[in-house]
Parts: sequence; C-alpha cells; structure tokens
Amino acid sequence: NFMLTQPHSVSESPGKTVTISCTRSSGSIASNYVQWYQQRPGSSPTTVIYEDNQRPSGVPDRFSGSIDSSSNSASLTISGLKTEDEADYYCQSYDSSNPIWVFGGGTKLTVL
Amino acid sequence: QVQLVESGGGVVQPGGSLRLSCAASGFTFSSYGMHWVRQAPGKGLEWVAFIRYDGSNKYYADSVKGRFTISRDNSKNTLYLQMNSLRAEDTAVYYCAKDGGGTVYWGQGTLVTVSS
Repeated sequence: NFMLTQPHSVSESPGKTVTISCTRSSGSIASNYVQWYQQRPGSSPTTVIYEDNQRPSGVPDRFSGSIDSSSNSASLTISGLKTEDEADYYCQSYDSSNPIWVFGGGTKLTVL
Repeated sequence: QVQLVESGGGVVQPGGSLRLSCAASGFTFSSYGMHWVRQAPGKGLEWVAFIRYDGSNKYYADSVKGRFTISRDNSKNTLYLQMNSLRAEDTAVYYCAKDGGGTVYWGQGTLVTVSS
C-alpha cells in the first residue's frame, strides 16, 4: 500500500489563491483517480473534486484539481478565497489492484 | 437526489457488538459499490470496508479485519456494518459512502462510542 501526504495546515487571506498538495509515496499518482473532499466543522465530507479534476454540479469553479507526474502529487487549488471555504480538505485515491480507498491525513485551511 | 442515512450508533462496552445500517435512496443502489469510512474524534478519515454492487466481493482495513462484516440487502436498499469485539479505538463517527459513477456521496454519519 501507498500513503498520501498532505500539509497539516495552510492559511491565506480572503480573495487570494491557495493550493493544497497531496503526494503519493509509491506508485504513479496518475495510475488511479484522485478525489478531494471538503469537511466543515461538525459536518460530513462533501466532494469538491472527483476523477482528478472534475467538479460536481454545485461546486463553484473557484475549485480546481490537477495532477503532476513529475512530483507524483495531486493538487487542489481554490481561488478567490472566501471565509466559507475554511474547512478540512482530504485527498483520496485507490489502491492499484482493488477498490480500497487511501486517504491523505487532511489539511486544515484557515481563511483569515 | 442521492441520500444516505446511517443509523445504529450508540454507546457499547469493550468487547461488545453493534450493527450499523445505511439506508440509500435517490439512485439505483444495486448498481453501486459502497464503503464504510470512520473518523475518530479530532482525527482524519479512515477507510473501513467496501462491498461490490452485488455483494460478491468485500474488502476490509487491517484494523477491523476479522471483527467487522460489511453486507448489503439490495431489496431493501440498505448497507450494513456488523461490528464485533469492539475496542476503545473503534470509537468514531461512521459514514457510509457511495462509490462509482463520478461524485462520491456521503451520509451524515452515526457515532459509535466504545467505553465501559
């Protein structure tokens, strides 16, 4: 099995852009889709990006996802930050040969 | 719209058992694999188990293998998690989640507390 490593926390000001990374420890980041989940305090997770870079309906286009094979990592970028974006964000991918989910440790985004 | 509603959580003593349920609606339940994911207080998300759309294959995290059993009843659109030999470290909010076909949907979670 591989691990997904995220920064523990990031902070940025309203209106700015922030990028959260998710680095895969072994195997190619491109070999399995990456999802990103937002979890506000006291709430269940919701999907903000699926299949590397797809946005569910209702998720604003300020949220975007990408993968970078050179760094073997995925990224979630949030532009035009709003205070409502303050939450924990988790990346998730699959084990290569079966449908087991692997989660990153989560990143706490503070918008101040 | 997709709706997942977990139930069955509560307080149980170490070594005890509990069965969680997840009632699904708004999609063809029998066509999708389903997961259980848990979150201990103040911690991150931990994948627990997965079952294929027809129940033919099941997968478990090492931390619960041999103690937890995932199952489903497609006639009732319901997912289950039978939890036996519970330990303090199993204390968490348990979420069910729908996989496949793009967006992952999550339930609101049910809290399991293992304490004497």
